[in-house]
Amino acid sequence: KQEVTQIPAALSVPEGENLVLNCSFTDSAIYNLQWFRQDPGKGLTSLLLIQSSQREQTSGRLNASLDKSSGRSTLYIAASQPGDSATYLCAGGYTGGFKTIFGAGTRLFVKA
Amino acid sequence: DTEVTQTPKHLVMGMTNKKSLKCEQHMGHRAMYWYKQKAKKPPELMFVYSYEKLSINESVPSRFSPECPNSSLLNLHLHALQPEDSALYLCASSRGQDNSNQPQHFGDGTRLSIL
Repeated sequence: KQEVTQIPAALSVPEGENLVLNCSFTDSAIYNLQWFRQDPGKGLTSLLLIQSSQREQTSGRLNASLDKSSGRSTLYIAASQPGDSATYLCAGGYTGGFKTIFGAGTRLFVKA
Repeated sequence: DTEVTQTPKHLVMGMTNKKSLKCEQHMGHRAMYWYKQKAKKPPELMFVYSYEKLSINESVPSRFSPECPNSSLLNLHLHALQPEDSALYLCASSRGQDNSNQPQHFGDGTRLSIL
């Protein structure tokens, strides 16, 4: 069964701290791995997508890595800000990328 | 502003009603998705359309009926829903057939309540 797991479930950090969110997946036949952000009551915003042939992607203060052999991905957020407070979800793309399986998310709170 | 537009934003309906959710995108994407998200849970895939053809149905009950009348529009027809169907329904789109490196773009969802 294809499953995606995220730890921790919740995280509270002071502003300016660097942090790492973890994602693991059971099926290594992954087409891509996406990281999303979701604000309360809103849809999802795509942050980074890593293709199965790639090891990492960077966008601004965000860096995501992918290790297919170990079934793991991490999202690194540098110099966290209160505006980064949200739920972060990782999702494995299968079946040509169309079948997307989400982890339960990490709720992040950055204190000013 | 999101590039995927969902209407209505909120919907309250009785168990005997028939209603439809609508999703529209004008990014030229050829893959469109419906997800269901319960409170404090991750989105669960329901349906995927690729080039206006249904390619994935995740064993969704027949009281949910999807329709893709053209490349820009995706509907979800609802009939005889149950209280447990109350949730946020999210629509997403992505570029198309070679989907391995294309992110999904999500709408803000329709919050559905079944009385």
